[in-house]
Amino acid sequence: NAGVMQNPRHLVRRRGQEARLRCSPMKGHSHVYWYRQLPEEGLKFMVYLQKENIIDESGMPKERFSAEFPKEGPSILRIQQVVRGDSAAYFCASSLGGGRTDTQYFGPGTRLTVL
Amino acid sequence: GQQVMQIPQYQHVQEGEDFTTYCNSSTTLSNIQWYKQRPGGHPVFLIQLVKSGEVKKQKRLTFQFGEAKKNSSLHITATQTTDVGTYFCAGLPSGSARQLTFGSGTQLTVLP
Repeated sequence: NAGVMQNPRHLVRRRGQEARLRCSPMKGHSHVYWYRQLPEEGLKFMVYLQKENIIDESGMPKERFSAEFPKEGPSILRIQQVVRGDSAAYFCASSLGGGRTDTQYFGPGTRLTVL
Repeated sequence: GQQVMQIPQYQHVQEGEDFTTYCNSSTTLSNIQWYKQRPGGHPVFLIQLVKSGEVKKQKRLTFQFGEAKKNSSLHITATQTTDVGTYFCAGLPSGSARQLTFGSGTQLTVLP
């Protein structure tokens, strides 16, 4: 019973490059959430997606960041032209439904380092 | 926007002592969830509280949700070294929003 999968687990990029983070939800889950965690801080909500739809992107920076969850394949968080301030752990979570009491299960995270 | 404050930020206890972390929201919550994150790990779901005044127990852990649904606490009795980690509360606001707002976490160190 595989949990939420994220890859890569660690990603190093130079300033100006692109970062692509992938998230495969738990089997049967169709709701995906992305969070960012800076060192010794809590998680900050970025975006909530269902298959082929962005439901809530109120936590996404207006520029350089985008997310998708296609009909087939994993959800992808894309960061263009990365800067040092993008260095953080990015966690994906999935839930079975989008109900308000649905539990979110977190993946192992992708730790992005921007040189 | 909604804010969730969590105290203390750090807590060192001797093994066997009790530990409590407190969570306060600036707005009424629909429900509150608690997570544990080990160093270098990811948040692991512990429990969800939905009802006003609700109390739930998991072995040595006791979770409470305030009557006004704006605060919550996690109490660990007789801590063990395996309890080490950061404990986060995460609140879901009343209304239509579905995004969890996480507290800043309480980092627990248990000294043997």
